[in-house]
Amino acid sequence: SQKIEQNSEALNIQEGKTATLTCNYTNYSPAYLQWYRQDPGRGPVFLLLIRENEKEKRKERLKVTFDTTLKQSLFHITASQPADSATYLCALDWGTGRRALTFGSGTRLQVQP
Amino acid sequence: GAGVSQSPSNKVTEKGKDVELRCDPISGHTALYWYRQSLGQGLEFLIYFQGNSAPDKSGLPSDRFSAERTGGSVSTLTIQRTQQEDSAVYLCASSGQGSDTQYFGPGTRLTVL
Repeated sequence: SQKIEQNSEALNIQEGKTATLTCNYTNYSPAYLQWYRQDPGRGPVFLLLIRENEKEKRKERLKVTFDTTLKQSLFHITASQPADSATYLCALDWGTGRRALTFGSGTRLQVQP
Repeated sequence: GAGVSQSPSNKVTEKGKDVELRCDPISGHTALYWYRQSLGQGLEFLIYFQGNSAPDKSGLPSDRFSAERTGGSVSTLTIQRTQQEDSAVYLCASSGQGSDTQYFGPGTRLTVL
């Protein structure tokens, strides 16, 4: 079965640095991959989507890469701020037509002022 | 509405009781999803509605779980004879026609004593 792995350990970085979060998956590549942000007690909020034929996507301070050879997506937040502290989830659509996403367990990011 | 809403926000029930969780999607969104999130875990797909098509129930963990969507809008997730392992946050999401982005509600935290 398909598996998604995100680093379960929290990532602690200093304000102003670039945060890099990893999402690895097994078996065949998804049709597309999404990144969501989740704050405590809230539902996930969509950030970026990248398709299997795209290498990189950017939105303001956010950048996502997608390497189908490594079966990995990297999520970068440049010039990080304490307000970026949250749990970040990657979610994959395997293109089966079901449309429901398969989520990783998320990585908690803590940006220290 | 402005976003996806869910009610109640918290539900405490006794083992063996039935519960109903409600989701109001974004107006005009044709797709509606239910997910479950246990403590420290990723989101687990439960059921997916798309327009008037038969729902995809492949994620429902047992026959105690059911859901309906009336008039293509509001959805109710019902759990019969609740068990302690049903304790989790139940999240609803909706998406527009042809869109891959899912918009999540705040969730209902269910605690089964």
